Amino acid sequence: GIQVEQSPPDLILQEGANSTLRCNFSDSVNNLQWFHQNPWGQLINLFYIPSGTKQNGRLSATTVATERYSLLYISSSQTTDSGVYFCALRNTPLVFGKGTRLSVIA
Amino acid sequence: GAGVSQSPSNKVTEKGKDVELRCDPISGHTALYWYRQSLGQGLEFLIYFQGNSAPDKSGLPSDRFSAERTGGSVSTLTIQRTQQEDSAVYLCASSLGARGYTFGSGTRLTVV
Repeated sequence: GIQVEQSPPDLILQEGANSTLRCNFSDSVNNLQWFHQNPWGQLINLFYIPSGTKQNGRLSATTVATERYSLLYISSSQTTDSGVYFCALRNTPLVFGKGTRLSVIA
Repeated sequence: GAGVSQSPSNKVTEKGKDVELRCDPISGHTALYWYRQSLGQGLEFLIYFQGNSAPDKSGLPSDRFSAERTGGSVSTLTIQRTQQEDSAVYLCASSLGARGYTFGSGTRLTVV
């Protein structure tokens, strides 16, 4: 089946720092999404981004489908950014990576 | 409703008992998904419903797991003869099409 690999598995940032999270996948992408799971377990859809670049506030994402990777950028990180970031792809159902656990410390 | 609602939020059960977990999706969402998340792990797909089509059960780990969706809305995930390895957070999501998944808050199941 399709493989979804995320890196790094864990990341600790000082508040205000920037970071890049990576998602590599083994198959062609027809649907790629990024999610944030907060420390209370709630999953929030951040981006639907099968190709190109999107931005939403301090977050942006880029998918290069031909090279089978996607990047999530977090700028000026805040403690509320802490949690686990998942990328997921394929249509039905979504296949999730194992996530990147981000801790932002004040 | 405004979001995906799951109940109960927490469930502790004895090994060998049956449990039912409920998911109430967003009104009008035709697709409904069940995932399982073990402690510190990613999301494991269990089952998927789309409209009136036969469900995709390819992720169910054993025949002790089953799910139904009544009237194209509420879904119930049933685990029979629970085992300790069934302990996890069970997450439900709904969507209209392939994008825009909305997840519920999950049911944390503990089998003792």
